[in-house]
Amino acid sequence: SQTIHQWPATLVQPVGSPLSLECTVEGTSNPNLYWYRQAAGRGLQLLFYSVGIGQISSEVPQNLSASRPQDRQFILSSKKLLLSDSGFYLCAWSATYLTPSPQHFGDGTRLSIL
Amino acid sequence: GENVEQHPSTLSVQEGDSAVIKCTYSDSASNYFPWYKQELGKRPQLIIDIRSNVGEKKDQRIAVTLNKTAKHFSLHITETQPEDSAVYFCAASISKLTFGTGTRLQVTL
Repeated sequence: SQTIHQWPATLVQPVGSPLSLECTVEGTSNPNLYWYRQAAGRGLQLLFYSVGIGQISSEVPQNLSASRPQDRQFILSSKKLLLSDSGFYLCAWSATYLTPSPQHFGDGTRLSIL
Repeated sequence: GENVEQHPSTLSVQEGDSAVIKCTYSDSASNYFPWYKQELGKRPQLIIDIRSNVGEKKDQRIAVTLNKTAKHFSLHITETQPEDSAVYFCAASISKLTFGTGTRLQVTL
């Protein structure tokens, strides 16, 4: 069966520091991959999605970036974090062989910026 | 792009009663409508979904209805239990999901 892993689970970072969050999927090939952010008590905001290695689409202009160096690896990065980057970051995957298909979420990373 | 509106934002029901959450979407090309349940501090989990060629789908106490003409879909939970308390999100999809803003359901004893 397919599983999705995200780490770390929680992260506290100072303003201006860099960020790297990692997501990996097991048990499937060529998944669609997504990064979402959820502010406290709010909905899900799509940040980036990827349909293949090296293919990244950005939904919201900001100081974050995403990369997909391997088929089942998706990385969210920032060179300099802002206070507004605090939130709950969720990675998700969906199958490309079934369209449309449900998205399945990882356990998320809770990011606090001090 | 797609826009999804969800109502109500909060819903309180007594245990055993039914709960209904409604969503509308803007793009008639949307063809997939999942519902997610998110417990506090946890990830959203898919609880039921429906495709545009189906008008209704049921899974035990949970059902979803879709009205393509009116561009709205609803989640129905019958015989609610305390463990149904959570935030529920609807979504609509053509190629990627657009989420509603969520409904906080509280089931009281």
